[in-house]
Amino acid sequence: NAGVMQNPRHLVRRRGQEARLRCSPMKGHSHVYWYRQLPEEGLKFMVYLQKENIIDESGMPKERFSAEFPKEGPSILRIQQVVRGDSAAYFCASSPGSSNEQFFGPGTRLTVL
Amino acid sequence: GENVEQHPSTLSVQEGDSAVIKCTYSDSASNYFPWYKQELGKGPQLIIDIRSNVGEKKDQRIAVTLNKTAKHFSLHITETQPEDSAVYFCAASIDTGFQKLVFGTGTRLLVSP
Repeated sequence: NAGVMQNPRHLVRRRGQEARLRCSPMKGHSHVYWYRQLPEEGLKFMVYLQKENIIDESGMPKERFSAEFPKEGPSILRIQQVVRGDSAAYFCASSPGSSNEQFFGPGTRLTVL
Repeated sequence: GENVEQHPSTLSVQEGDSAVIKCTYSDSASNYFPWYKQELGKGPQLIIDIRSNVGEKKDQRIAVTLNKTAKHFSLHITETQPEDSAVYFCAASIDTGFQKLVFGTGTRLLVSP
């Protein structure tokens, strides 16, 4: 059973460009969470999604950030008009239910030049 | 909201010694406390977790204790090995329909042979 998959693993963007981060949950998991990790810091919750629904986005910046988890395909975290402060590692996690343990992917390391 | 503090930030031990990492949380309603191990360039891996109806849980060389009154929980690793070297994160969450994990700032554990 493959684990949580994220791609790309590394992404370099110039200021003002768009970044798209993808997350494929573990087989059988329909709950996806996105977290952001700044250097030397812990992970910060961003958003929680189920298939076709955003359940809680209280950790998402109000502008430029959006997330989706379509019926088919991976979950996408989209950052528009990136700025240097968006440079971080972005992790997604999945779980089979809302109260179960979360399994993390390897992360996407975004660098904004 | 919930706030989790973690100490120490770095911990160096000799192989075979024990290591203890401590966390405190602020919200008495928190009821789920996982511990994650993160190796360089990888995503966090769940190593043990405890729920608030249990005071202690053990899995081979790893144990977690929870003191709900004092609002703190600890990770204990016995007979440490060089491969235990990593960054360890504690987290806390309230099950409000899903687990919104709030992470500590991490402890870098170095086990010297």
